[in-house]
Formats: sequence, C-alpha cells, structure tokens
Amino acid sequence: DAKTTQPPSMDCAEGRAANLPCNHSTISGNEYVYWYRQIHSQGPQYIIHGLKNNETNEMASLIITEDRKSSTLILPHATLRDTAVYYCIVRPAQGGSEKLVFGKGTKLTVNP
Amino acid sequence: GAGVSQTPSNKVTEKGKYVELRCDPISGHTALYWYRQSLGQGPEFLIYFQGTGAADDSGLPNDRFFAVRPEGSVSTLKIQRTERGDSAVYLCASSSTPGAGYTFGSGTRLTVV
Repeated sequence: DAKTTQPPSMDCAEGRAANLPCNHSTISGNEYVYWYRQIHSQGPQYIIHGLKNNETNEMASLIITEDRKSSTLILPHATLRDTAVYYCIVRPAQGGSEKLVFGKGTKLTVNP
Repeated sequence: GAGVSQTPSNKVTEKGKYVELRCDPISGHTALYWYRQSLGQGPEFLIYFQGTGAADDSGLPNDRFFAVRPEGSVSTLKIQRTERGDSAVYLCASSSTPGAGYTFGSGTRLTVV
C-alpha cells in the first residue's frame, strides 16, 4: 500500500505557483520522498527527491517539514503543460526494496 | 537510445493467447522495472531486475506472468493464457543506480478481448 496521502485533485492558474501537498506521517529515517508526474498517455516522469533538506532543480522545488511527516512540491510558474497527475512516493534510497509504490496521486489542472 | 523504448505501443489479443512485451532500457542502465497501470490507478509494481537477475518479483500477480532479461539489457514480459483482466498499460522503467530517478517508457497498451 502507498504510504502517502495526497488530495485527489487541484487547480492552478497559469503563471501562478502550484503547491502540491503530501502527507507521509509514517516515513522512516532512511526513506526519501520522491515526486513523479504523469502526463496523459505518457509514462511517469521523475521530478525530484529529497531526504531532509529542501531541494530545487530546473523543474520544481521540494519543501520537507522538519519532522519529515509532510512535504510540498512547488512548481513556481505553472504552465498548461504542467497539467498532469503528480505522485508523491516514499522509498528507501538503498538497502531496501527498489520498487516505487504509487498511490492515486493528485490530478493538477492548470487553467489559462 | 535516448530513452526507454517499449514495443509494441498497442497490442490487442484474444483471451487465452500468449503475448510478449518488449522493453529496451537506456544504454548502461543496470536496473529495469516493469509496472502495469489500470485506468484511473497509479502504476502497480510487477518485477525489478538488477542486471540479468530478477531481484524482486513480488508484484507478479500469478504464474501466468514471467519476465526475462538474459543479457542485462533488453527485457521481455511474457503473459500466458491471457485474461480480460490483464488489459492494462504495461510500463517499463530503467535507472542507472538504485535510488536514482527512474526513466519510464511510454508503455504498451494491452487489450484482451
């Protein structure tokens, strides 16, 4: 079973920041938080991952709370092409199962 | 190649037939994963290869499903005696090292009629 909880859907205006929340209250000390997204009819796409510290790359920023029980994926300037299902996943970086356990994710719709 | 390639992109087969789905991972990626996705659901793990060996096959639903990766590169997912419930998109992904982000292919849409 997925170890994360996400809202089923969210809307965002084009050009605005999209903030996607994820709860992972049972996360273990060696588990990372991964984010993937899936645009319609495509395979999932890796976005970002982190352990404790906030992370940023060319696609997004990941903010993890100090107690690590929740996180937020931030798309700073959402575009129509960011409309997708976003999956938050927790998983050991190494030494455990290599599989990703996907939940149902959050369907983000970016509106013009 | 530049990405993960899956063939065919679509496959329609009759109930009871045998099918093979192929995955070409990114060159040099030692880890390869198979998932399947039903409509409205997230991808469901099937099997993970590290090199030629199946390191975790706990997601294979039953013994009609089998996967191989004989040379540590291309992988084939084989389904015997297909059932209508096997209809789904079958996704393949690869990664360079454990813990790295996966790169997924576009999937094979299998329809069993």
